[in-house]
Amino acid sequence: DAGITQSPRHKVTETGTPVTLRCHQTENHRYMYWYRQDPGHGLRLIHYSYGVKDTDKGEVSDGYSVSRSKTEDFLLTLESATSSQTSVYFCAIRPTGLNEQFFGPGTRLTVL
Amino acid sequence: TQLLEQSPQFLSIQEGENLTVYCNSSSVFSSLQWYRQEPGEGPVLLVTVVTGGEVKKLKRLTFQFGDARKDSSLHITAAQPGDTGLYLCAGASNTGTASKLTFGTGTRLQVTL
Repeated sequence: DAGITQSPRHKVTETGTPVTLRCHQTENHRYMYWYRQDPGHGLRLIHYSYGVKDTDKGEVSDGYSVSRSKTEDFLLTLESATSSQTSVYFCAIRPTGLNEQFFGPGTRLTVL
Repeated sequence: TQLLEQSPQFLSIQEGENLTVYCNSSSVFSSLQWYRQEPGEGPVLLVTVVTGGEVKKLKRLTFQFGDARKDSSLHITAAQPGDTGLYLCAGASNTGTASKLTFGTGTRLQVTL
């Protein structure tokens, strides 16, 4: 158990509304990542963080922003949700010095 | 953009059969991980291979990293229904700020009695 939780686990929202997903870790790891998983695309990196207030973009960052004000929490925000952002979102942590990542249980987001 | 291609995309076999899943790329990775994912859950790490030509065994699962560190294979001997799931390979590359993973599209395995 990597000590990662995600909330909410499921959410249905309407186009144009803001949505924030939360990733919480209990292991005090420096590196955290947000991915989305869609059929035929595997997992794609949205944003990642390499420390408090230190974040960078991944390959599919358009329409998403992130914040990390403390080590244990990494927030993913959809400022104005679109139907193309319907997906399953996974958070991951990576212990310093290792390449392996450990994943949370995911959030299933549906944008109507 | 680094790409990882997995084959086959789908595989349905009977209990006791052997199978091999492939993960190929034109890029070199510092290491490669294999994950298994079950419905409604996040991917779970199975193994990491680091050295070109490396072979690792995990019970009935054998993982190999290509000599040039661009490809990998997963072989399952005597598959069981509990092996059912989505198998993902992921290559690690190190940027200036953090190590990142590039994932393959996955191989969905179903093992039936």
